[in-house]
This record gives sequence, C-alpha cells and structure tokens, in this order.
Amino acid sequence: NAGVTQTPKFQVLKTGQSMTLQCAQDMNHNSMYWYRQDPGMGLRLIYYSASEGTTDKGEVPNGYNVSRLNKREFSLRLESAAPSQTSVYFCASSGGGTKNIQYFGAGTRLSVL
Amino acid sequence: SQQGEEDPQALSIQEGENATMNCSYKTSINNLQWYRQNSGRGLVHLILIRSNEREKHSGRLRVTLDTSKKSSSLLITASRAADTASYFCATDQGAQKLVFGQGTRLTINP
Repeated sequence: NAGVTQTPKFQVLKTGQSMTLQCAQDMNHNSMYWYRQDPGMGLRLIYYSASEGTTDKGEVPNGYNVSRLNKREFSLRLESAAPSQTSVYFCASSGGGTKNIQYFGAGTRLSVL
Repeated sequence: SQQGEEDPQALSIQEGENATMNCSYKTSINNLQWYRQNSGRGLVHLILIRSNEREKHSGRLRVTLDTSKKSSSLLITASRAADTASYFCATDQGAQKLVFGQGTRLTINP
C-alpha cells in the first residue's frame, strides 16, 4: 500500500532553473496539499486542492504554481527557483469530511544554489 | 502566520519517564490533531480530538483540549527510545485546511 508518493526525493537546482515536484496518492482522497518545512519550523501550506479541478492558495504561494492533474496527482512547479525556496517539500492528501486527517509523503529535499 | 504555538521547543527525558508537550492556538477550531515526524520522514497522524471533547486516549498517548484557554496538551507515558521524534499540533479551522505549530523536538535518552 503506497499511500502518498513524492518524486524526486532530492534535487539541486541553480537559481533561475525550473522544476516540477510530483505527488500521487492511491487512497482515493479528494483533497491534496503542498507544504514546505524549513529548519526549526512547522509546515507552511503553499497550495491545496480541495477536490479535483480546484486549487487554492495557502500561506506562502508566491513563486509556485500547482496543477491537479486528476484525482490522484497534484504537482508543484517552481518556474524560476530562488535560494529562498531551499526547503523540504511535503505533499499530503486527505479524505476530507469532519476529520480531515492528512497522510504525508516522505518529502522532497530541494536545494537552490 | 502559523496559529499553533508549541511549548517547549525541545524536551529531553530519560526512557521510562513521561513527556508532556503543549499547544496553544488563537481562533475557534473544529478539531485539533497531533502528528509525529521522525528524522528525515513525513508526518504521521497520531490522534485527533474534537472541539467538544476534553480528553482522548490512544495507547500511551493522552490528549487534552481546553477550548476556553485555546490550548491542548499531549502526554506520552512510559517513554521509549522509539518515541524520539518531533511532535506537531495542527488545528482544523474548516475549509479543508490544517494549520501546524512549530513542533516540539523530543529526545528520549536510554
């Protein structure tokens, strides 16, 4: 049972390069999320998708775009990477409803030089 | 800005002792959740307490919620080395989003 799968696990970019982080879930969840985690801090929400076909900004959306490709997949794109985007990125999914328990992927560690 | 504030930021105890960590928040919530994060891994859900509940148990975990003080605590009893991790509270304000605190880093010493 894979749960939430993120690729790649590690990535090094130069300033100005672009890349897409991929996320897929096999739990038939409606909602999906992208967070970033910086040292000593909790998770900050970048974007989320409450259902297929919808996306909304979170707390720190600047410099990012997302695509909810289908119910399973939710990608995060950095169009022009900056050193401030060096972070660990987590994707999560949730069945929604009254509990909204989220299930997380293992993370992508991104360094922007 | 993040809503959950956790205290302490770091906690180091001996194996077998109890560990208590606290979370405060600012606005009304539907529920409050606790997650664990082992080093280099994603978060794992531990326990959820609804806004109309005061206490919840799950194995060695005990969570309390005081909505009048907008605070929650997580107690881990009889700690083990495997409990070494960071613990995060997260508040559900509705709109299908959670707001996470900054976390408590717990170290269990053998």
